[in-house]
Amino acid sequence: EAQVTQNPRYLITVTGKKLTVTCSQNMNHEYMSWYRQDPGLGLRQIYYSMNVEVTDKGDVPEGYKVSRKEKRNFPLILESPSPNQTSLYFCASSLTAGSGANVLTFGAGSRLTVL
Amino acid sequence: QKEVEQNSGPLSVPEGAIASLNCTYSDRVSQSFFWYRQYSGKSPELIMSIYSNGDKEDGRFTAQLNKASQYVSLLIRDSQPSDSATYLCAVKPGNTPLVFGKGTRLSVIA
Repeated sequence: EAQVTQNPRYLITVTGKKLTVTCSQNMNHEYMSWYRQDPGLGLRQIYYSMNVEVTDKGDVPEGYKVSRKEKRNFPLILESPSPNQTSLYFCASSLTAGSGANVLTFGAGSRLTVL
Repeated sequence: QKEVEQNSGPLSVPEGAIASLNCTYSDRVSQSFFWYRQYSGKSPELIMSIYSNGDKEDGRFTAQLNKASQYVSLLIRDSQPSDSATYLCAVKPGNTPLVFGKGTRLSVIA
């Protein structure tokens, strides 16, 4: 089944404890992206990747890191989480970033709580 | 700043009625337009895409695009309670990533 898989789905952690949210897709998509979703603020892009070893900042990159060493994986790293990073996170991918082939497939979401 | 604006709602319609959802965007070079549906606590799922001016119909859904006026809309005919969700408008401004609106919450009353 074609899908984007995120883990963990739910996580409660404490301020400052490094964590990684993994994202993997099995569709050979070039483009991958991370979003956070907060009430009243909608989906905001954190980082995106056009292809392997190519990453770029989205609208809200502060406090996050990403890497794209393989085409299928795009982990989101929170080096020192803070309570304002409590949110619902979505990973998404598309065939490319270009017009006509950029329909996003989303993962199921990861609900992160930082105490 | 590329912006996509939607009325946050909630938009309440009776079962069987037509629900009309609207979206305006700021970047004139935008080429691709999408409507995603998101149920509470779930991930967004694509329901319609539209690339050229006019109407595009898919079952009970019709997307309408007017590039000159910079708006895109989604009509849902014969609305069902199962259509109750948040609808996200997304616009691709040229070669930059997709920009999402904040969504309109639709409530279909049985």
